[in-house]
This record gives sequence, structure tokens and C-alpha cells, in this order.
Amino acid sequence: EVQLVESGGGLVQPGGSLRLSCGGSGFPFRNYWMNWVRQAPGKGLEWVTNINKEGSEGYYLDAVKGRFTISRDNAKSTLYLQMNNLRVEDTAVYYCAAGGYLDFWGQGSLVTVSS
Amino acid sequence: DVVMTQSPLSLPVTLGQPAFFSCRSSQSLVHSDGNTYLNWFHQRPGQSPRRLFYKISNRDSGVPDRFSASGSGSDFTLIISRVEAEDVGIYYCMQGSRWPASFGQGTKLEIK
Repeated sequence: EVQLVESGGGLVQPGGSLRLSCGGSGFPFRNYWMNWVRQAPGKGLEWVTNINKEGSEGYYLDAVKGRFTISRDNAKSTLYLQMNNLRVEDTAVYYCAAGGYLDFWGQGSLVTVSS
Repeated sequence: DVVMTQSPLSLPVTLGQPAFFSCRSSQSLVHSDGNTYLNWFHQRPGQSPRRLFYKISNRDSGVPDRFSASGSGSDFTLIISRVEAEDVGIYYCMQGSRWPASFGQGTKLEIK
């Protein structure tokens, strides 16, 4: 069974940092581009960042560029999102999604940025 | 950036009746490689999104054949031929042809 499981979300103050993880199983993780997509409370979906299969190239939404860093460990089938200098507007459920066409998604991890 | 506009935003439909979803992009989604990277997703209340179609009309495994998708250029349509109760939720289109990828605001399907 294909599975993506996110972890690492929580409450953080503005300016703080958080690292999300996403563990994949049931599919050849190293053969897939991986993505992070977020959804603010009651809002729609927003693509945030993705990374190529080898982990050598990452692409970012302008709003997070310079603050967020995507990475992966193919040996552990795990995707990461390091989020620094968090802002209130970064509050959202963060989903990891596998594949260039967002083939399948995890259940999401809630990040709340608030003082 | 490409702006994706969906309509209607709310779609009340009687069980067994068809439902029509529209998605328009602010520019053509034909990629330089000749493909059109337009996908459709369904998000049930309290759940994560699930992809229904990729590259306009390629149906994902497990998606009932009462769902169909079509379109070209900057104008795309998702159709449910006979709505069932399990179809409620929000339907999103998403383009991956131009960076950055972008989603429409979603169409909320409810049972009338």
C-alpha cells in the first residue's frame, strides 16, 4: 500500500523554525519528484516547493524562497521541509505529495505560527 | 504567474444528476514539450486531496467512469455524469505547465 506520512508540525512563534518530515512507503521513493503543498485554514491549495529525484535541485514559491529548504534522503525514503523565519501567513496544513503530477498525498501536518 | 479560475465556486446538485466544473487559465497551458499539464483533484471534507485526472483527461486508477475530463489550451472541464453522495467535497484544477504550479480556488460540490 502506498503511504506518505508527515510529521513535525506544531505551534511556533513568528520568526521561529520548524522541520517537517514525510516518510514514504509502498512505492519506489527515489524514482519520484516530491512536493510540499499547503492549505491555510478554510482556504484552497498552494504549491510550495518541489525537489528532483536525486535531491540536487529544489524549486520554491517566491513567498517562501530564502526561508524554506526542501531536501530528501532516498536511503530513508524521507522528504524534509526546513522552515525558518516563519510568518503568521505560513499557518497551514502542509501536505507532501509524490510525483510530478502530485500522484498521491499524505494526510498533512498542521503548522500554526502565532504569538 | 498563471491564474487558474474555476466556476462555479458552489455547485448544488441533485443525486443522479450531472455536474459540470469549469477551469480556465490566464494563459495557454500547452508546454513546450507538447503536453498540457492540467490535473484535477478531489478533496472530501477532512481528508487530503486525491488526484482524479492528469494531463487533462488521463483518469487515475479507481476513479469511476462516470467522471470525465476534457479541454485544451486554457479551457478545461470536469464532468460527473450522475452525482453520488460520495462525490461531495471540493474539486480543484491545477496547472503544472508553467512555473510556479498553481491551483484554482476550487468548486464545492454539495447535494441539493
